[in-house]
Amino acid sequence: EIVLTQSPGTLSLSPGERATLSCRASPSVSSNYLTWYQQKPGQAPRLLMYGASIRATGIPDRFSGSGSGTDFTLTISRLEPEDFAVYYCQQYGTSPFTFGQGTKLEI
Amino acid sequence: QVQLVESGGGVVQPGRSLRLSCAASGFTLNNYAMHWVRQAPGKGLEWVAVMSYDERRKYFADSVKGRFTAFRDNSKNTMYLQMNSLITEDTAVYYCARESSEYSGYDVVYYLDSWGQGTLVTVSS
Repeated sequence: EIVLTQSPGTLSLSPGERATLSCRASPSVSSNYLTWYQQKPGQAPRLLMYGASIRATGIPDRFSGSGSGTDFTLTISRLEPEDFAVYYCQQYGTSPFTFGQGTKLEI
Repeated sequence: QVQLVESGGGVVQPGRSLRLSCAASGFTLNNYAMHWVRQAPGKGLEWVAVMSYDERRKYFADSVKGRFTAFRDNSKNTMYLQMNSLITEDTAVYYCARESSEYSGYDVVYYLDSWGQGTLVTVSS
């Protein structure tokens, strides 16, 4: 089983600041199989990034993804109020298609 | 417009069974692999199961293997999660999600691009 470890658990920032979220895989996973989701309270997850760095339809360009192998990063360049949510990474390399435990981005 | 609607959740005693439904609209279910993902109250996302577009391949998380199964009714454009021998740890909101894919260069990338709103299953005596 591929374990995804996200850090930090909680990130406290202000609108306009830059957010950097980490997802570490063990063992490694191809960047083709790494996705990021955003979830707000009471809502279903929403696809943000796939293939580690490809923005999903409708996702603003302040969101970017990078990484390969064991280390992946989601960056939000300038936080907007609507960006405060929980973010999850997921891998598709091997079943079970595990999620990370999430990073809560709070004001 | 792509839409997924889960139903069938409720309160059930440990050891009993429950069947969840995921009704699709705006696309043909049997053209896509479909996943189930759950979220225990106040916890993170847990992948549960995937069923290929032709139902030939089904994979389950170890936590539900042997107790849960998945199938679909193409005439109703609906898929199901049959949950047997339920335990308290199965208490969660259950989401169905559509898997899509596309080429990125010479490789194929996969992602869950559409999700239902979820249905709550509570296992309690």
